[in-house]
Formats: sequence, C-alpha cells, structure tokens
Amino acid sequence: GAVVSQHPSWVICKSGTSVKIECRSLDFQATTMFWYRQFPKQSLMLMATSNEGSKATYEQGVEKDKFLINHASLTLSTLTVTSAHPEDSSFYICSASGQPVVAYNSPLHFGNGTRLTVT
Amino acid sequence: RKEVEQDPGPFNVPEGATVAFNCTYSNSASQSFFWYRQDCRKEPKLLMSVYSSGNEDGRFTAQLNRASQYISLLIRDSKLSDSATYLCVSLSGGYNKLIFGAGTRLAVHP
Repeated sequence: GAVVSQHPSWVICKSGTSVKIECRSLDFQATTMFWYRQFPKQSLMLMATSNEGSKATYEQGVEKDKFLINHASLTLSTLTVTSAHPEDSSFYICSASGQPVVAYNSPLHFGNGTRLTVT
Repeated sequence: RKEVEQDPGPFNVPEGATVAFNCTYSNSASQSFFWYRQDCRKEPKLLMSVYSSGNEDGRFTAQLNRASQYISLLIRDSKLSDSATYLCVSLSGGYNKLIFGAGTRLAVHP
C-alpha cells in the first residue's frame, strides 16, 4: 500500500531555533500534501495544504511566516517551524494523496509523525 | 459546535465483547467519512471508508445515517489489539479537507 515517510520521528530543540520536518511519499506521486498538528488528547488539526509547485494554503489562525511549507517535488514536502517556542511543542503529522481530490476511495495516508519538544 | 463530535470514552470492554461508537457531524454537505485508528503516539491508520449507507470489513461494521447525521462503528469479538483511539473523520464537502473528531478511546482487557 501507499507509504508516506516522515523525518525526524522526534526532535528536541531550544527555544528560538528552527526545525525542519520532511514528508516523503515513497511509492506514489503526491499532488497534494497536508500538514496536521495534534496536541495531547485532542484531534488532529489541519494546518495547511500544500500543492506541488505552488504556495501552500494555510488554515485560519496558522501563521504562514512561522510555519514555512515547501512542496518542491511530487514526492517531498517540508515544514519548517521557525523560531520555535515551547507552545509549538506538539505532534506534527503529514499526509498525502495521490489524487488531487480526497475521496472515499482515495483516502489520505499518513506519515509516522514528528514529536517536537521545544525547551 | 465542533464539526465532528465523538464520545471521548474510554470504553473498557472485555475480550470478545461487541462495542459500538457513534459520531455526529454538523455539515450536511459532507459526503464521505472515514474511521481511522490511532495508537498512542503514532500516526492514524485508515480502518474503513464510509460512503453510502455503510460497509463491513471482517469484525468491523460502519454505518452512515445521513438523515440524523451520524456515523457508527461496530466492533465484534473485540481483541486486545483493538485497544486504540478511534477517529471519526468527515471529508468536508467541496474543500478537500478532512475534519477529525477528537477520538474515542477503547481499552480491551483480558
């Protein structure tokens, strides 16, 4: 089945530094990738949608200058958390679809997630 | 009101039990739904897609009631390995977005 690889699995960084998270589709071309964030005991919240070769679309309340998304190829999207602060500590998960439109017969496949801890 | 709502649980059941989760959604334009399971500190994994009135896959049965705007997941003959959080997910009509519920925790004990 479709595989999405996310790296790193966990990262600890100091406040004020930047962290880059990579999301790769391993056996399919991902036209669209989605980035989610999940705080403990809460649901996944969509942060942004990235389409290959174009600017990402951010959800309301998500700072685009703080969470930089680059989708330079059909198999790679990156999320950079700039000037990270302790409140950015969370579980970040990417997902990808091989189709431009998500549907019941074309669901999303998730990366293994990145647990970010900012000290 | 949240777009997708679930009872957080936890549901504590013995092995072999049948357990059902309900999920309600508020956007009547939503066409497709999914159930994902998420283990602690892991990514969600697709369990079932739900489109028409529902479908069945082994011990798992999902049903969709559009009139009442709810989706259910039935698990028969529960196994210890079924212990996880079950996420109800709505595909937001026309926006290509998945809206996640907060999840229902299931704990199956011997």
